[in-house]
Amino acid sequence: RKEVEQDPGPFNVPEGATVAFNCTYSNSASQSFFWYRQDCRKEPKLLMSVYSSGNEDGRFTAQLNRASQYISLLIRDSKLSDSATYLCVVNAGNMLTFGGGTRLMVKP
Amino acid sequence: DVKVTQSSRYLVKRTGEKVFLECVQDMDHENMFWYRQDPGLGLRLIYFSYDVKMKEKGDIPEGYSVSREKKERFSLILESASTNQTSMYLCASSPGPDPTYGYTFGSGTRLTVV
Repeated sequence: RKEVEQDPGPFNVPEGATVAFNCTYSNSASQSFFWYRQDCRKEPKLLMSVYSSGNEDGRFTAQLNRASQYISLLIRDSKLSDSATYLCVVNAGNMLTFGGGTRLMVKP
Repeated sequence: DVKVTQSSRYLVKRTGEKVFLECVQDMDHENMFWYRQDPGLGLRLIYFSYDVKMKEKGDIPEGYSVSREKKERFSLILESASTNQTSMYLCASSPGPDPTYGYTFGSGTRLTVV
């Protein structure tokens, strides 16, 4: 079983739609959680950290469920520019473990 | 902003060549990492370093070595390149042992071994 699992997608949604991605992790000792965004042929960039109480950054909301060991990312009012691959990232110890990513394609 | 610079964007090498991939960061970060990224496999950690002259194996170190002679520079070495090492190589750095602030990645080196 992979340490961090994501549905690879692609998720094809129209502009303005709300879309949600989930991610599960296997290490119950994981301490920190992140979502990274990776555009085609570019490097991953930190989108947002995920806090236990949940957190919001504009149209993006991240949630953490420690009991079920999953993390979610909700994107409201999708824009064409949101098209990218979203990587779920988990820290257990001093290193980050990356999921394989979920590809999002927002259509006009 | 932290900048992580990888020396080459694209590289083509022949099987058996010794290949050096260079990575430099300009924010005095303690930690540096080398990953490779392949379709369907995601990012896999090759080697990492928490300090000068220190290195630790990641998940897939076979066929690779690293060098960290200066804090800002972390080099990945393919001792004898093989076609299965064709991949996107990403260098990353972070400030210290707590990755709360996440990693900053370089723009990647797409290596093709022929």
